[in-house]
Amino acid sequence: SQQGEEDPQALSIQEGENATMNCSYKTSINNLQWYRQNSGRGLVHLILIRSNEREKHSGRLRVTLDTSKKSSSLLITASRAADTASYFCATDKGGNQFYFGTGTSLTVIP
Amino acid sequence: SQTIHQWPATLVQPVGSPLSLECTVEGTSNPNLYWYRQAAGRGLQLLFYSVGIGQISSEVPQNLSASRPQDRQFILSSKKLLLSDSGFYLCAWSVNRQPQHFGDGTRLSIL
Repeated sequence: SQQGEEDPQALSIQEGENATMNCSYKTSINNLQWYRQNSGRGLVHLILIRSNEREKHSGRLRVTLDTSKKSSSLLITASRAADTASYFCATDKGGNQFYFGTGTSLTVIP
Repeated sequence: SQTIHQWPATLVQPVGSPLSLECTVEGTSNPNLYWYRQAAGRGLQLLFYSVGIGQISSEVPQNLSASRPQDRQFILSSKKLLLSDSGFYLCAWSVNRQPQHFGDGTRLSIL
């Protein structure tokens, strides 16, 4: 069963604005990851945050994790048209299985 | 460098026909392998994963089966396809619980 759930389901912003999407999950996790999927393609890993971390940065990406609220957020700063894609969170409990959320569809308008 | 190949990219099959989707990984040994299905506009549903040759774990009961005849080969099969088997099928690999690497998927349409 899927453990993560992203919101909003869809987000449309102007180029240069920041985009924030959220992920909530149901049970304790070991790691939380964010992936990106261009239309009709496979997923590409963006960033991983461990359960003992609260914030992580990678380029224009900033991820936060609040284990007490069982939630994470992905912030993309200074968005570009090329950031248009679907974004998924995925959690694991330390085993070999990964559980993906339902995704946020981001549209960046040039 | 590691690569993952998944084919075919698209497939149109009649109801009741068999299915075989193949996924191969290069450049890594003893990977964990995964099959996911993604319905249109939805998230990924884990179907099967494998930690070694001949070792298959199924996440949900369904009309599909998986096999791993070689270390870097993962096959998704069905003897008789149903309309509900339509979707986007993704293969992925990972090692040591590191992030997953995905193939480009197979879009399966059942008529």
